[in-house]
Amino acid sequence: AQRVTQPEKLLSVFKGAPVELKCNYSYSGSPELFWYVQYSRQRLQLLLRHISRESIKGFTADLNKGETSFHLKKPFAQEEDSAMYYCAPKPAQAGTALIFGKGTTLSVSS
Amino acid sequence: DTEVTQTPKHLVMGMTNKKSLKCEQHMGHRAMYWYKQKAKKPPELMFVYSYEKLSINESVPSRFSPECPNSSLLNLHLHALQPEDSALYLCASSLIIGTAMDTIYFGEGSWLTVV
Repeated sequence: AQRVTQPEKLLSVFKGAPVELKCNYSYSGSPELFWYVQYSRQRLQLLLRHISRESIKGFTADLNKGETSFHLKKPFAQEEDSAMYYCAPKPAQAGTALIFGKGTTLSVSS
Repeated sequence: DTEVTQTPKHLVMGMTNKKSLKCEQHMGHRAMYWYKQKAKKPPELMFVYSYEKLSINESVPSRFSPECPNSSLLNLHLHALQPEDSALYLCASSLIIGTAMDTIYFGEGSWLTVV
């Protein structure tokens, strides 16, 4: 069965601390993986996708096919990073859509 | 214009009412989506339209009826809803469905309360 797991419901860190939001998936084939973010009172938006291997707002995510993980990392958290983060795999088959993990709330305090 | 616009922002309806949620985008996207989001839960996929044809229906009850009149518009017709259908309904669009480089753009959502 296809499944995505974000084990932490809430992650609280201090400003300047490293952050790692975990995501594990169980999908057949090679899914495409995305992180979406929802800031308070803003619409859900794409943060980054694994295929681009990009860094957005200091965040990176590495796809580990052996561990079937796609953890989101940032070396130094900022208060404006506080938001809900969703890991979203998309099955490799054409014509399929994103399914969202349960999400992790990141709270960064000073 | 990189926005998905949803109306109304808030809707309160009785269980016997018929209402519609509307969604519009002018980005030339040919895939449009409806998601349902309950409080503190992730968005759940309901329907996907690809080139104005219903492509995915995630076993949604028939009291929800989607419609895609043209490539820019997506409606969700509501009839005989239950209180448990109260949620934030998100519309989204992407260039085409299901490619790795495609970005899905979300609207702000329509808050629906069924009384």
